[in-house]
Amino acid sequence: SQTIHQWPATLVQPVGSPLSLECTVEGTSNPNLYWYRQAAGRGLQLLFYSVGIGQISSEVPQNLSASRPQDRQFILSSKKLLLSDSGFYLCAWSVGTAYEQYFGPGTRLTVT
Amino acid sequence: EDQVTQSPEALRLQEGESSSLNCSYTVSGLRGLFWYRQDPGKGPEFLFTLYSAGEEKEKERLKATLTKKESFLHITAPKPEDSATYLCAVQTPSNDYKLSFGAGTTVTVRA
Repeated sequence: SQTIHQWPATLVQPVGSPLSLECTVEGTSNPNLYWYRQAAGRGLQLLFYSVGIGQISSEVPQNLSASRPQDRQFILSSKKLLLSDSGFYLCAWSVGTAYEQYFGPGTRLTVT
Repeated sequence: EDQVTQSPEALRLQEGESSSLNCSYTVSGLRGLFWYRQDPGKGPEFLFTLYSAGEEKEKERLKATLTKKESFLHITAPKPEDSATYLCAVQTPSNDYKLSFGAGTTVTVRA
């Protein structure tokens, strides 16, 4: 069966510090991978998605970036965090022609 | 642009009091409509996919239905453990691989 991991689970970072969130998927090959942000009481905002190694599509202009160094690894990064980057970050995967996405446990980021 | 609107924003139910959540959508073509359950501090959990009007799916006390403009999630005789935020999302031919999510309905079931 497939599983998705995210770490860390929680993170408190000062403004201006760098960020690296990691997501890995097990039990499937060539998944489509997604990064979402969920602000308190709001819906899911798609940030990036990738349909293959080295291929990244950005949905929202911001100071975040994403990379996919391996087939089942997706990384969200920032060089300098802003207060507005605080939120709940979710990684998800889908595969093939099945459009439903499966989410990881999330990372709660607080920028102080 | 695809639009997904969920109502109500919040729903408080007594245990055993059945009710329905609404998800209305405005899209140019529908490939699929998805329902998720999200518990506080956790990632959304996939519940159902509906592909065409008239389709229904069931899981325990939950039943999802689909028309050409909206979907309903019916909760029959809810229990406190059904308390969660329920999200719906759509996928369209113009947005390959991507889902557009509604803001969710937060359901609280009191014992």
